[in-house]
Amino acid sequence: KQEVTQIPAALSVPEGENLVLNCSFTDSAIYNLQWFRQDPGKGLTSLLLIQSSQREQTSGRLNASLDKSSGRSTLYIAASQPGDSATYLCAVMGTGRRALTFGSGTRLQVQP
Amino acid sequence: NAGVTQTPKFQVLKTGQSMTLQCAQDMNHEYMSWYRQDPGMGLRLIHYSVGAGITDQGEVPNGYNVSRSTTEDFPLRLLSAAPSQTSVYFCASSLSTAWGEQYFGPGTRLTVT
Repeated sequence: KQEVTQIPAALSVPEGENLVLNCSFTDSAIYNLQWFRQDPGKGLTSLLLIQSSQREQTSGRLNASLDKSSGRSTLYIAASQPGDSATYLCAVMGTGRRALTFGSGTRLQVQP
Repeated sequence: NAGVTQTPKFQVLKTGQSMTLQCAQDMNHEYMSWYRQDPGMGLRLIHYSVGAGITDQGEVPNGYNVSRSTTEDFPLRLLSAAPSQTSVYFCASSLSTAWGEQYFGPGTRLTVT
């Protein structure tokens, strides 16, 4: 059974810092990996999707990498801003299951 | 495009009542799914559909029914609500399971008393 772990569970940084969020998964047989952002009381917003054949994806200040063989992904946020404060969720789509398996998320607080 | 829409946004039920959570998408996506999100448990898959007329169970299907008569709609039915079904419910859709970016609706917050 696929398990997805996100470390750290919570993170507080001053504005302007570069930061890395980690995601690991136990089964490397995946179709893709997706990073989401969730604001309190809101739905999930897709940030980046990495197909299993890709190594990284970039969107603005965000960069996500994927190392399928080691079962790891990182989300890099450059020059963090208070508006980046949210919970970040990592999810993998396995080849054996037609569904996303989610990590528990990293709650990020960027202090002005 | 409206994307993925869900109604209602909030609902309070008494134990034993039934109701249907509505989900619709206007992106012609084949794949749709329902998740529930609980504190400390993350998001867990309830049911999913890979196309009209095709549904399958996810990780936590008990107490829920689904059907997919059209590509656009994927309602979730609670047959006899229980306090354990108090949760936030999210509907998601994508072009396909393997290649599609998943788009989520805004959620329905359900309380069962």
